[in-house]
Amino acid sequence: AQKITQTQPGMFVQEKEAVTLDCTYDTSDQSYGLFWYKQPSSGEMIFLIYQGSYDEQNATEGRYSLNFQKARKSANLVISASQLGDSAMYFCAMREGWMDSSYKLIFGSGTRLLVRP
Amino acid sequence: NAGVTQTPKFQVLKTGQSMTLQCAQDMNHEYMSWYRQDPGMGLRLIHYSVGAGITDQGEVPNGYNVSRSTTEDFPLRLLSAAPSQTSVYFCASRPFVANEKLFFGSGTQLSVL
Repeated sequence: AQKITQTQPGMFVQEKEAVTLDCTYDTSDQSYGLFWYKQPSSGEMIFLIYQGSYDEQNATEGRYSLNFQKARKSANLVISASQLGDSAMYFCAMREGWMDSSYKLIFGSGTRLLVRP
Repeated sequence: NAGVTQTPKFQVLKTGQSMTLQCAQDMNHEYMSWYRQDPGMGLRLIHYSVGAGITDQGEVPNGYNVSRSTTEDFPLRLLSAAPSQTSVYFCASRPFVANEKLFFGSGTQLSVL
């Protein structure tokens, strides 16, 4: 069965520095997708970035980039120039199933990031 | 746009009570789902639906019931609440497009005493 692992329950980063949040996955599918979501203290789930298994380039969205290493089955989130507003819980998720209609997202346990001023 | 709307935001139940968490979306999304979020466990899929009249179980379906009579609504029913169902519940939807992200509601914090 597919599985997502986030091994860092909590992390600190100094404001304006870069930080990497780890995510490893396990799947036997050739076609899959990886997502990152942010959950601030207010509780809503905010989509950050997506990487497809056949995408040759690493995904980037503003200060967020995804370091995709297919052979190692890792999809780490890199946040550049951290801001105080980046303090939140971050979840890595993977598409399970190959059909467009019925695929499900499975989530890791999350990493709580705290940005220090 | 309203997006995905969940009600109520907070609910306290006694063990054995039943209730329905409401979820509605106005984006004409075919796919809808319910997750529960517990500390240290991320989000776990309870039930999902790929269209009106079609539902299926996720990872943790026991104690929950769903139905999908319209594209817009996907209520989650707790049949006989138990303390183990104390959690934050999220409804999420997406269109049938490859690799499209899930759109989440704001969540329902449920406590079962």
